[in-house]
Amino acid sequence: DVKVTQSSRYLVKRTGEKVFLECVQDMDHENMFWYRQDPGLGLRLIYFSYDVKMKEKGDIPEGYSVSREKKERFSLILESASTNQTSMYLCASIVSSGGRASNEKLFFGSGTQLSVL
Amino acid sequence: DQQVKQNSPSLSVQEGRISILNCDYTNSMFDYFLWYKKYPAEGPTFLISISSIKDKNEDGRFTVFLNKSAKHLSLHIVPSQPGDSAVYFCAAVGEIIFGKGTRLHILP
Repeated sequence: DVKVTQSSRYLVKRTGEKVFLECVQDMDHENMFWYRQDPGLGLRLIYFSYDVKMKEKGDIPEGYSVSREKKERFSLILESASTNQTSMYLCASIVSSGGRASNEKLFFGSGTQLSVL
Repeated sequence: DQQVKQNSPSLSVQEGRISILNCDYTNSMFDYFLWYKKYPAEGPTFLISISSIKDKNEDGRFTVFLNKSAKHLSLHIVPSQPGDSAVYFCAAVGEIIFGKGTRLHILP
């Protein structure tokens, strides 16, 4: 079974701090994604990566960056956390290569609930 | 502009009855649709999918119907159980685009 692991379930940070959210998948998937979920706004794509060292902006990349140095690991970075980045962050991966997605399901991690004070 | 819309943010259904969750899309190029279920403080889990070449897919208590001419799909849960209380997301694939979700409450 595919496993997507997010290192922290809950994080509390202060405004201006640099925040790292880590995600690891164990099924050799090419594509990895970072979403945030907010009430009434659904799942919004922040960044995705279709290969090592490759990244593309999603719908709401402002205030975020990402790193994919190894195939299994995709990190989301908040350079200077702000209160409007308080949210549930979800990492996902999918097996197929080429494009943002294909006819296969995304596997999600359990999520990281980030609170920025 | 939203390409995938779930117009009901919340729905309450009596236990044992049918739950119907709706989803509309605008892009006729989508060729695959998925439903995800999400409990609080957990990641979404895949529930059921349907290809655009079909109009119905059934898996146990869950059935998804696709009406391509109306660009509409619906998820039916019969009979509804308390464990079905969750947020349900519809997703369309060409790129993966999610709706905003519908929170389903199953009433005892």
